[in-house]
Amino acid sequence: EIVLTQSPGTLSLSPGERATLSCRASQSVDSDYLSWYQQRPGQAPRLLIYGTSNRATGIPDRFSGSGSGTDFTLTISRLEPEDFAVYYCQQYGSSLWTFGQGTKVEIK
Amino acid sequence: EVQLLESGGGLIQPGGSLRLSCAASGFTFSNYAMKWVRQAPGKGLEWVSTLSASGGTTYYAGSVKGRFTIFRDNSKNTLYLQMNSLRAEDTAVYYCAKDFYFFDFWGLGTLVTVSS
Repeated sequence: EIVLTQSPGTLSLSPGERATLSCRASQSVDSDYLSWYQQRPGQAPRLLIYGTSNRATGIPDRFSGSGSGTDFTLTISRLEPEDFAVYYCQQYGSSLWTFGQGTKVEIK
Repeated sequence: EVQLLESGGGLIQPGGSLRLSCAASGFTFSNYAMKWVRQAPGKGLEWVSTLSASGGTTYYAGSVKGRFTIFRDNSKNTLYLQMNSLRAEDTAVYYCAKDFYFFDFWGLGTLVTVSS
């Protein structure tokens, strides 16, 4: 089973700043099957990025994804108030789906 | 508009059984694989099970294999999760989600609490 480790656990930033979130896999991940989700407090998660770098429908272009192999990154170019939330990476491989433990982006 | 509406959660004693439902609308249900994902209170996301579009292929997380069964009724646009031999550690909000390789749309979830 591929384990995903996200860092940092918490990111304290101000609106307008750039956020860089990391997702590291215990073994190589097919980049077609690496996704990112946002979960706001009290809400269900929503898909942000699929296939490493493809934005889901309706996702603003301040969100971008990159990476390959075992290292993947979600970047939020300029934080808006609604972006303060928890973010999860997720991968599919060998008939298993796994999530990282999450990174909380909080207001500094 | 895609909608997924989970139901069937509640308080259940350890060792008991519960069946969750997920009613789908706004897309051709029979064309899509579906999944269940759970989130324990204050914790992260855990994939539980996936079912192919036809219902013929199932996948389970090790933590629920042999206790949970996923199935669907494409004539009713509904996904189910039969949960048996429930444990305290199964306490979570259970979400259904659409698609195979990733989770492209989520329901609002239903809370399952396993406690005596």
